[in-house]
Amino acid sequence: NAGVTQTPKFRVLKTGQSMTLLCAQDMNHEYMYWYRQDPGMGLRLIHYSVGEGTTAKGEVPDGYNVSRLKKQNFLLGLESAAPSQTSVYFCASTQRVTDTQYFGPGTRLTVL
Amino acid sequence: GQQLNQSPQSMFIQEGEDVSMNCTSSSIFNTWLWYKQDPGEGPVLLIALYKAGELTSNGRLTAQFGITRKDSFLNISASIPSDVGIYFCAGQLISGGGADGLTFGKGTHLIIQP
Repeated sequence: NAGVTQTPKFRVLKTGQSMTLLCAQDMNHEYMYWYRQDPGMGLRLIHYSVGEGTTAKGEVPDGYNVSRLKKQNFLLGLESAAPSQTSVYFCASTQRVTDTQYFGPGTRLTVL
Repeated sequence: GQQLNQSPQSMFIQEGEDVSMNCTSSSIFNTWLWYKQDPGEGPVLLIALYKAGELTSNGRLTAQFGITRKDSFLNISASIPSDVGIYFCAGQLISGGGADGLTFGKGTHLIIQP
């Protein structure tokens, strides 16, 4: 049972490039979330999903897209990366909205 | 959006001292959570609070859900070196509309001097 895993761990992009971050969970959780963490800040919700095939916007969704084609995977896409998207990205999952959210180890993204 | 004010921003304490940190919100939550984050890792849940007035302990950690539902505190007793890290409070408002994400405070950076 690996819990929540994220790939890649680190990535450097140039402005305008695109990339996809992958979050995978093996706990059969319904709910999955993407957060970003900036220096001196708490985590802020980007997008979330309440089940396979569903997605919804969080607090800071602009510049990101997500997909949940399979229950165990939640993908975060950047179509045209900007320096303001330099951050550490965390994925989380939970079975019920009232349950604990389990976090992945994070992806550190730098946009030059 | 909802705002969480977490204080203090950082704490420099001696090993063995007790620690106290708190969060206040501009609006109510029906769940309060406290997480710890170590460098290079994701947050790990320490304590979850689900009822106003609830006081919950987890070893040397004690947390309370404020009566007004707009605040919470976390105490750590007899600190040890492995308590070093960043502590985050998080609130969640669960409504009939479904799965709200967590709203996080900005964190309290705990540094322990031997």
